[in-house]
Formats: sequence, structure tokens, C-alpha cells
Amino acid sequence: GQNIDQPTEMTATEGAIVQINCTYQTSGFNGLFWYQQHAGEAPTFLSYNVLDGLEEKGRFSSFLSRSKGYSYLLLKELQMKDSASYLCTSTDSWGKLQFGAGTQVVVTP
Amino acid sequence: DAGITQSPRHKVTETGTPVTLRCHQTENHRYMYWYRQDPGHGLRLIHYSYGVKDTDKGEVSDGYSVSRSKTEDFLLTLESATSSQTSVYFCATTHGTTSYEQYFGPGTRLTVT
Repeated sequence: GQNIDQPTEMTATEGAIVQINCTYQTSGFNGLFWYQQHAGEAPTFLSYNVLDGLEEKGRFSSFLSRSKGYSYLLLKELQMKDSASYLCTSTDSWGKLQFGAGTQVVVTP
Repeated sequence: DAGITQSPRHKVTETGTPVTLRCHQTENHRYMYWYRQDPGHGLRLIHYSYGVKDTDKGEVSDGYSVSRSKTEDFLLTLESATSSQTSVYFCATTHGTTSYEQYFGPGTRLTVT
């Protein structure tokens, strides 16, 4: 079976750091995506982890531990435009995606 | 951006009527997907296609059918719309060989009254 757990909502102030944790159980696990989705818009790709470790891309970093079924997305130097839903998404060996329900990040001034 | 468009972008229809949503892509991607997104459920896969005339069911396929007669077009049909099918529908594509990253269309907001 497949199951993805992530917090429903997180609030942080502008300039701060927020870490969104995600645990997954995916048969035939092949990798972990993070997508960003602003209200009323389509999801957009942020990161993809296949191997264990940290992938850094500007202000965003994503970590994967395959043995623990765990990932996190780290958002640094938060900006107001980072207010969005962040979707933890696993992929299996067939390329099918399983989405978490999303973590709504609210950035306050 | 994989050049994905969806039509219509908004639709209101009555219970019991058939509805067809269209997804069009210009990237020649082999794989195409239809998802629905509802509050608290995240994105759920309805149907997907791995080539022209090759389709398969996702986790919430009941009440939906799909067709893919050309690489660039993937149609989703609600055979007899019900209020439980009120949702936002997203189409996505992926190359599938060089990467699994999926690119999403802008979405269609469907309301069944």
C-alpha cells in the first residue's frame, strides 16, 4: 500500500526557516518529489530525491532517508511569496505519483 | 512548463449529464495523467496513459473514462456527472524515460449541481 503523512499547516515569519517533515510508505519506492502549489494554481516542481542525503537548490533544500521512509523540505529566508501548499510526493518504479494532502505554509510579516 | 492546456477552465453542469474535459500538450510526452484535487485529500489519480490508445485506471476511476487517440490529447469523460465529482481536475504529463517529473496543466474547476 501507499501512505504519505505531512503536517497540515505551519506558520513562520518572514526571513525565518521552516522545515516540513514527511513520512511515506510506498511499494516499489523509487524517489521523492516536493511540489509547491499556490492557491488556485497548478502544482509546480521543486525538488526530486532518489538517493539518501540532502539536495540544495537556492533557498530550498530537500532531504531523503530511504531506510527511514522520511523526507523533509527546508525553506530558508522565508518570503511572503513562499506562502503556499507544499506537497510531499512519492514515486514508484512505474513512475506513478502518490501525493500527500499538502502542508499549508503561512508566512507572516 | 510542458505546454499543457486544459479546456474548459471552468464548467457548471447538472447531475446526470455527460462531461468531457480535454488536455492538450505540445511536448510529445509519452505519459499523461488525470488527477482530481479535493480539500483534505490531495491529488488523486483517476486514469493515466502510457501511449496512444494505452490507458489504465488509477485509484479513483469509478464514473470516469478516458481516451487518447493522439499523443497530444488526453480526454477525460464523466459518463453521468454526480455531485461527488465536483472538484478541480488537473492533467499532467511526463517524459517518463529521462525523468519522472510531472508537469501540470492549469486545472479545470468543475461544479455539478
